Amino acid sequence: EPEVTQTPSHQVTQMGQEVILRCVPISNHLYFYWYRQILGQKVEFLVSFYNNEISEKSEIFDDQFSVERPDGSNFTLKIRSTKLEDSAMYFCASSVSINTEAFFGQGTRLTVV
Amino acid sequence: AQKVTQAQTEISVVEKEDVTLDCVYETRDTTYYLFWYKQPPSGELVFLIRRNSFDEQNEISGRYSWNFQKSTSSFNFTITASQVVDSAVYFCALSAGYSGGYQKVTFGTGTKLQVIP
Repeated sequence: EPEVTQTPSHQVTQMGQEVILRCVPISNHLYFYWYRQILGQKVEFLVSFYNNEISEKSEIFDDQFSVERPDGSNFTLKIRSTKLEDSAMYFCASSVSINTEAFFGQGTRLTVV
Repeated sequence: AQKVTQAQTEISVVEKEDVTLDCVYETRDTTYYLFWYKQPPSGELVFLIRRNSFDEQNEISGRYSWNFQKSTSSFNFTITASQVVDSAVYFCALSAGYSGGYQKVTFGTGTKLQVIP
């Protein structure tokens, strides 16, 4: 069964460093998303991406964040100058269209120290 | 604005008991989708169901059933004959308001279900 793949599963980084979280969406999906979940809290929408541009972003997704689809298979989330409060589980998701369910990856746990 | 409320923070049941997880949603859109996701202790998000706002039929899938009532803006989830493997956090979620081809899912705060053997 096709699945969304995220790497790495866990990343530890020092405050102020840049990190790139990687995702391989399901191959025939056209819409891509990043969500985050601070430990013990709810899942929060960050950004959606379609046709090589951001479709929507939340207030959380500020200038510190950027997304990119560098090739035909990867979808990345870059966090510049990480802060302690960026520590969270980051989920990538993809969907066939805007009105179908998003399938989530296993998540990348980011720990900023 | 969209909002999903899961008033039950934690529920504990003894194995084989039935349990209902409540979900109340708010949206001004007439077209929307409702979801349930399961998050086991391992952390991944597992899709369980999606319903659209035009389909109020209840759905049953094995031990799982869902009751969608637009009149009360609720989309409740029942697990019958609960098992230890059902222990997880369950999230209700809402997606509404399509414009220019984007989708945003608003999650509730989750209900942590513990099934005691």
